[in-house]
Amino acid sequence: ESVLTQSPGTLSLSPGERATLFCRASQSVSTTYLAWYQQKPGQAPRLLIYGASNRATGIPDRFSGSGSGTDFTLTISRLEPEDFAVYFCQQYALSPFTFGPGTKVDIK
Amino acid sequence: QVQLQQWGAGLLKPSETLSLTCTVYGGSLRGFYWSWIRQTPGKGLEWIGEINHSGGAFYNPPLKRRVTISVDSSKNQFSLTASSVTAADSAVYYCARVSRGFQYFYGMDVWGQGTTVTVSS
Repeated sequence: ESVLTQSPGTLSLSPGERATLFCRASQSVSTTYLAWYQQKPGQAPRLLIYGASNRATGIPDRFSGSGSGTDFTLTISRLEPEDFAVYFCQQYALSPFTFGPGTKVDIK
Repeated sequence: QVQLQQWGAGLLKPSETLSLTCTVYGGSLRGFYWSWIRQTPGKGLEWIGEINHSGGAFYNPPLKRRVTISVDSSKNQFSLTASSVTAADSAVYYCARVSRGFQYFYGMDVWGQGTTVTVSS
């Protein structure tokens, strides 16, 4: 099983600041099989990024993804009030498909 | 715009069978895989399994013995059953559409609203 770890666990920032979130896989993951999701309380996850760096439909360009191999990054260039949420990475390269534990971005 | 609407019993007793159904509105089952995921505070998001429109399914190995995912194309629905539930099966369960191509994963791009399942005697 490919285990994903995310850091930091919590990121406390102010609106307008830059957020950098990390996802590390226990085994190399092709970029074509790495996705990021955003989840707000009481809601289902929402797809942000697929293929490690491609924004899903309707996702603002302040969200960007990068990385390869075992290390991936989600960057939010300037935090908007609606961006304070939990973010998960997911690998779909190796079954069982797994999610990271999440990074909570909260308001400082 | 594709939407997923899920439903099923939310309160079960130990040893009972969990049954959830997800209806696809505004789109077809064809061309996609359809997944079930559950979420708990302790284990986070856990992929349960998924199925395509023709019924080809695969599962997370620890759950495979108790779980069945099925599809009913005539109703544009897919379902999850899990037998012999325990408190460890208490979670929020989500259905989701999986967009994938040849050697490419476009993400779980449409999700149901989630169903809270509690297993308690």
